[in-house]
Amino acid sequence: DIQMTQSPPSLSAFVGDRVTITCRASQSVDNYLHWYQQKPGEAPRLLIYVISNLQSGVPSRFSGSGSGTDFTLTINGVQPEDFATYYCQQSYSSTWTFGQGTKVEIK
Amino acid sequence: QMQLEESGPGLVKPSGTLALTCTISGGSISSAYWSWVRQPAGGGLEWIGRVYTAGTTNYNPSLNGRAAISLDPSRNQLSLTLYDVSAADTAVYYCARDSEVKTSMTYWYLDLWGRGTRVSVSS
Repeated sequence: DIQMTQSPPSLSAFVGDRVTITCRASQSVDNYLHWYQQKPGEAPRLLIYVISNLQSGVPSRFSGSGSGTDFTLTINGVQPEDFATYYCQQSYSSTWTFGQGTKVEIK
Repeated sequence: QMQLEESGPGLVKPSGTLALTCTISGGSISSAYWSWVRQPAGGGLEWIGRVYTAGTTNYNPSLNGRAAISLDPSRNQLSLTLYDVSAADTAVYYCARDSEVKTSMTYWYLDLWGRGTRVSVSS
């Protein structure tokens, strides 16, 4: 299986800060990399697909970048509603895998 | 607007069989491919497997052949059966729609999720 490693596992930020989450794959996943947001007690929600494409309805302060094995999710000006856990996911291999998650908390 | 709703027994005995259903409303089950994902309490997301519209399936090898996913187009339902369960299978189980974007390649991702159903395995 392709292992997805996110860093950091958690972070604290002030409202308005720029937040960066990284995701590293154990081998290249080409462009098959997607990001999800999950709030407590809720289902995951697709944020970004194929590295950098914003899902409909997702605010433009969210962006994604990267290639091959290294990817980044950035929130430019984090808002109170953005405090949640974020997961990366690859669909390159026949067994889809997720990162372990990054919890973004209010400082 | 399409919606997904999972249902099933909240409690299953060890070594028993877990059977979950996902009911699709607001659209046809034949219009997409579908996946199941689970999440233990306080843990991360684990992809269980997916089913294609022709009934072809693909599973996570970590389940050691214990999972079966099927479609019932007549009821617009997706099902997950997990055999020989143990406490390690205690989790919230989600069904999700696989969506694709085609460029020179076809990229799959999970764009619509149900709210999940909690399953505990305990005697």
